[in-house]
Amino acid sequence: NAGVTQTPKFQVLKTGQSMTLQCAQDMNHEYMSWYRQDPGMGLRLIHYSVGAGITDQGEVPNGYNVSRSTTEDFPLRLLSAAPSQTSVYFCASSYWGYNEQFFGPGTRLTVL
Amino acid sequence: GENVEQHPSTLSVQEGDSAVIKCTYSDSASNYFPWYKQELGKRPQLIIDIRSNVGEKKDQRIAVTLNKTAKHFSLHITETQPEDSAVYFCAASSPNFNKFYFGSGTKLNVKP
Repeated sequence: NAGVTQTPKFQVLKTGQSMTLQCAQDMNHEYMSWYRQDPGMGLRLIHYSVGAGITDQGEVPNGYNVSRSTTEDFPLRLLSAAPSQTSVYFCASSYWGYNEQFFGPGTRLTVL
Repeated sequence: GENVEQHPSTLSVQEGDSAVIKCTYSDSASNYFPWYKQELGKRPQLIIDIRSNVGEKKDQRIAVTLNKTAKHFSLHITETQPEDSAVYFCAASSPNFNKFYFGSGTKLNVKP
């Protein structure tokens, strides 16, 4: 099993550009989530999904969109990148919310 | 929403000593409390978790205690080793286990 994979590993964007961060898992997990990690602030939940076709907002959803068309994939879209979105982004998955969350390797995003 | 505070932000101990990291939470309905370890440049990994119907849980050199009345929980690492050096995050879940709120992290340095 590959576990949770994320692409790209690094990305530099200009303000106003859009892009999609990819996340996939091969463990048949129902629960998937996106976090951003900023220095001194821990991990903050952006969006989460409890199954295909079901998504909801987390703590810091503004500026991000998600969809979940399959169990395996949970992409995160930045519609119009801003410097405040410079961060490390982690995708995670678990069988259910109260089970161990497995994190992907992360994507380091810089917005100029 | 939930507010999780974590102390201390940095902790330096001598190899073989014990380390204690403390977290408080604000929502009395929170019922699942995982702890994650993140080594430099790596993804967070679950090291231990506890549910609200349990007061203490141990796994070899690691233990977690939960005081629901006071709304705080702590991570205890005994006989610390240099490989325990990392950033540790506590988290609290929403009552339906769909949202997770992380503390700001504790950087543990174990000196050989």
